[in-house]
Order: sequence, then C-alpha cells, then structure tokens
Amino acid sequence: DGGITQSPKYLFRKEGQNVTLSCEQNLNHDAMYWYRQDPGQGLRLIYYSQIVNDFQKGDIAEGYSVSREKKESFPLTVTSAQKNPTAFYLCASSIQGAQTNEKLFFGSGTQLSVL
Amino acid sequence: GENVEQHPSTLSVQEGDSAVIKCTYSDSASNYFPWYKQELGKRPQLIIDIRSNVGEKKDQRIAVTLNKTAKHFSLHITETQPEDSAVYFCAAFKAAGNKLTFGGGTRVLVKP
Repeated sequence: DGGITQSPKYLFRKEGQNVTLSCEQNLNHDAMYWYRQDPGQGLRLIYYSQIVNDFQKGDIAEGYSVSREKKESFPLTVTSAQKNPTAFYLCASSIQGAQTNEKLFFGSGTQLSVL
Repeated sequence: GENVEQHPSTLSVQEGDSAVIKCTYSDSASNYFPWYKQELGKRPQLIIDIRSNVGEKKDQRIAVTLNKTAKHFSLHITETQPEDSAVYFCAAFKAAGNKLTFGGGTRVLVKP
C-alpha cells in the first residue's frame, strides 16, 4: 500500500506532552484531512487543508494543530490541551475538482495512547 | 452542520444471506453519498457511492439506494461471504464546506 503514509503506527503520549503524527502523500493530491476514530463513533473530522499554507478547522479541532507547508505533508500535533487523546487517527487525501474531491484515500492510521 | 446517523451498529448474518445498512442525513444540500469498508487493522476504502441525481446504483453484490425526500440511503450486500466481514461507514458530502461527514459505522460479521 503506497500513496499515503502515516507514521508512526503506534504512539504513546505522556501527560502534558505534545506529540506529532506524520502524514505524507505522493499522489499529488491537493486536499488533505485528519480524522479521529473512536469505537462506535465513526470518523470525526479534526482539520483539513485544500491548498498549501491554508487549512480549516473540522468538527473537533480543539486541542489539535496542523500545518501545511508542503503539498505532500500534513502533520497533526496533539497538544496537551487535548484531554482525551487516545484514539485511532486517520489521514486522508483527495484530488481537488468537481466530483473528485469527495473521494478520500486513507492512510493506514496511527494509534495514539496515553501513558 | 450535517449529521449522519447509521444503523445498526452491529450486524451478524449467515453466509449467503443479505445484509442491509441504513443511514439518514440532516442537510438536504448534501449531494454525494459514499460507503467505505474498513477491514480489521486496515484503512477504510471506498466501495460504492451514489450522487443525489440517482436513486440506485449496483456493483456486483453490493448496491446503494437513495431517497432524497426522506434523506436516507442504504447499502445492500447480497450473497454475503466471510470476506464481507468488516466495519462499513456511510458518509454525506456537501459541496459548500467541502467535507465528508461520516456515520458511526456498522460492524458486519458474516458467519460461515
């Protein structure tokens, strides 16, 4: 599985610590997204970016931050302000354009746990 | 914002039987409805989608129906096989806002 790569696969956070999840894609996709997956709650949007140097908050942005300095990369930082960070984090990308930007390609995810 | 409800949360079927998953959405401006399948330990993958100008779409053993008036859409899997066991997510997309809203997921178990 190539195309969109997330690392690490597992990550542990100590209380009060910021951690950064990596997401890289070589699909030449314009848009990138971060979702949080909790059991029984589906996928909830944290942040998304449609172009370089621009991003928007999703439904649950509090306690998270992102950057989009390069088209290929969209790292997510889970800050100490996020009090319940344990979850599975999925990065996704899509091609910008009519009838294409809705089709998401997902990475394989990062499981974040609190020590 | 958009709200997508998905039912049931778990579904157990005998191999060869059919499975149906139902979703409702709240925003009548949503116009694209994909379904994703997530096998255990793997990434979600798009399996079928439907646009608001179509009422039904079929791809081999899977089909999706859309009722715009009632704001609900369903996934139908016929002749289920063990490899159909996975979590299925429905979603709704609205062009204004440019984001997908997902349902809570349905865990499907196909018993041999």
